Amino acid sequence: DAKTTQPPSMDCAEGRAANLPCNHSTISGNEYVYWYRQIHSQGPQYIIHGLKNNETNEMASLIITEDRKSSTLILPHATLRDTAVYYCIVSRGNAGNMLTFGGGTRLMVKP
Amino acid sequence: SQTIHQWPATLVQPVGSPLSLECTVEGTSNPNLYWYRQAAGRGLQLLFYSVGIGQISSEVPQNLSASRPQDRQFILSSKKLLLSDSGFYLCAWSTGTMMQYFGPGTRLTVT
Repeated sequence: DAKTTQPPSMDCAEGRAANLPCNHSTISGNEYVYWYRQIHSQGPQYIIHGLKNNETNEMASLIITEDRKSSTLILPHATLRDTAVYYCIVSRGNAGNMLTFGGGTRLMVKP
Repeated sequence: SQTIHQWPATLVQPVGSPLSLECTVEGTSNPNLYWYRQAAGRGLQLLFYSVGIGQISSEVPQNLSASRPQDRQFILSSKKLLLSDSGFYLCAWSTGTMMQYFGPGTRLTVT
C-alpha cells in the first residue's frame, strides 16, 4: 500500500472549516483513500473514503486531486469535539482490508 | 445494529505473566477481525487479522498469538508478557465493505 504524508499538527477555530491535507504521491490506480480519526483514549472512527471522485457524508467532505496524488479532508464547521488525531490511509481494500495507520495529524479545535 | 466489545478495559500485569484479551462482535456474520496495538504516542500497528474461524494471519513477529474459536470471537494471547507489550490494544471488524469498526480498546500496562 502507498505511503501517506500528513502534517503532525494543526489548529482550527471553533465554527470554522478544518482542512486537513494528505499527500499520497505513490498511490496506484486501485487504491482508495480512507480517513479515520481517533479521539483520545478511544478506538479510531471511520470518517470517509474515496477513489477518484470527491465524496461527502454527514461528517465530512473528501477532495481528491485529479492526479490522485493528494487529498484534503474538510470538516465544514469544526467543533471542540472534533479535536482528535486524523489518519489518512491508502489501501486497496483487498482480502483482510488491511489499513496501515501512520502518525496522523493532531487537530486541535480552539474556542 | 452491530456492536463490538472488548474486555477488560484496563489491565496491569507483571512481566512474564500470561495474557488473554477477548473481542466479540454482535449483529454481523463472518466478519473480518483485526488486532491492533498502539504504543504511547504512536500510530496503530496491525498485529493479526482473520478472515474466518481458525484462519489467522500475523503481520508482526512477536510473543503474541491470536485465535478465532468462533465466528465473532477473537482472542489475543501471550504466554509470557514483556515490558514492550504495554500499549493500547484495539480490536476491529469489517465485512465486504472497506470500512473497519473499532472497539473501545484495552489499555495494558506491563510492570
